[in-house]
Amino acid sequence: SQQGEEDPQALSIQEGENATMNCSYKTSINNLQWYRQNSGRGLVHLILIRSNEREKHSGRLRVTLDTSKKSSSLLITASRAADTASYFCATLDQAGTALIFGKGTTLSVSS
Amino acid sequence: DAGVIQSPRHEVTEMGQEVTLRCKPISGHDYLFWYRQTMMRGLELLIYFNNNVPIDDSGMPEDRFSAKMPNASFSTLKIQPSEPRDSAVYFCASSSRRPYYGYTFGSGTRLTVV
Repeated sequence: SQQGEEDPQALSIQEGENATMNCSYKTSINNLQWYRQNSGRGLVHLILIRSNEREKHSGRLRVTLDTSKKSSSLLITASRAADTASYFCATLDQAGTALIFGKGTTLSVSS
Repeated sequence: DAGVIQSPRHEVTEMGQEVTLRCKPISGHDYLFWYRQTMMRGLELLIYFNNNVPIDDSGMPEDRFSAKMPNASFSTLKIQPSEPRDSAVYFCASSSRRPYYGYTFGSGTRLTVV
């Protein structure tokens, strides 16, 4: 069963613009992770934010976490065509071991 | 390290045939996961292993599915007999608990059952 739900399902922007994707989850978490999937490839780990963190940066990525609202957002600044991919949030299952993924946001960046 | 290696990349088989998917995790990773991805259902966790031992197989859809991990460097996912609704992309991923850098996914096996 899905723990995280991404919003929007699809997003189209121009190069140089910022892209924001949101994730809502249902139960309490230890951490929340974001992954990217390029077409025809496996998922790649982008960033992890712990439940006691509110914001985290990695290069052009900024992730926020609001545990009171059970939501997270991923911001990609100054997007590039190479950022075109699907982005997934993931949280741990009840046993705290295996990641459960949302259905993802498909981002298209046109030049 | 070459990353998580899955084979074959593509598999087309007829309904009723046995299908075996293979995975070589990253050396030193003690967790191995099998996921299935479809447009309708997204990424579904099928089963995972810790130190070669199956921990949770509650995601395996039916008895037609089985998975093994005979050693730390090899795992298989078998479907017997295969059905058209098994068509999907099957991913293997591995990770370590400490240090934790997220999951490393293979490139997947695209299975088509006709």
